Amino acid sequence: DSGVTQTPKHLITATGQRVTLRCSPRSGDLSVYWYQQSLDQGLQFLIQYYNGEERAKGNILERFSAQQFPDLHSELNLSSLELGDSALYFCASSAGGGGQNQPQHFGDGTRLSIL
Amino acid sequence: GESVGLHLPTLSVQEGDNSIINCAYSNSASDYFIWYKQESGKGPQFIIDIRSNMDKRQGQRVTVLLNKTVKHLSLQIAATQPGDSAVYFCAEKENQFYFGTGTSLTVIP
Repeated sequence: DSGVTQTPKHLITATGQRVTLRCSPRSGDLSVYWYQQSLDQGLQFLIQYYNGEERAKGNILERFSAQQFPDLHSELNLSSLELGDSALYFCASSAGGGGQNQPQHFGDGTRLSIL
Repeated sequence: GESVGLHLPTLSVQEGDNSIINCAYSNSASDYFIWYKQESGKGPQFIIDIRSNMDKRQGQRVTVLLNKTVKHLSLQIAATQPGDSAVYFCAEKENQFYFGTGTSLTVIP
């Protein structure tokens, strides 16, 4: 158990809809990272938050947004969903802000299926 | 963008043998590397890491080797067990992490 909790485990919805994915980091970790993992592809970095502030942005679509709350949990919002958004979405956390060389610890992901 | 790749997409080994999983990276400025294990239906699990000022690091049954000259990383698993069956992938970090697609390891009992 990594200590990172993601909910829900599965989401099935239709095109055009909006969903929210939730992540609780490991106790004491200040950074939260969001990744997308599609079939046969590596993890694609979406966005990082550190102690409530956006720290780094990757290949995140404009239809996607995220935030980190004062209690350090984070939410990833996906809107105007398209079939191609079907993927596994992972959250990871680390103690530092990303500049330090520390491992990220991952949750078990949310599997999003768009019908 | 960065390129992190694996030489072999699949690897099958006999139980008890040693496994070697390879990874090539492209960014010579990467200063930190991690190996992850991902089992079906689960998130990536941290195995071992290594900083660029090292060329070898050992853990429990695992060893990571880093060859900066040829930008190559390998993971050695000693006495491979059925529970080691999973997808293994490496990650490199300069300012952010870049992940490979993974090698699927199958352990034959």
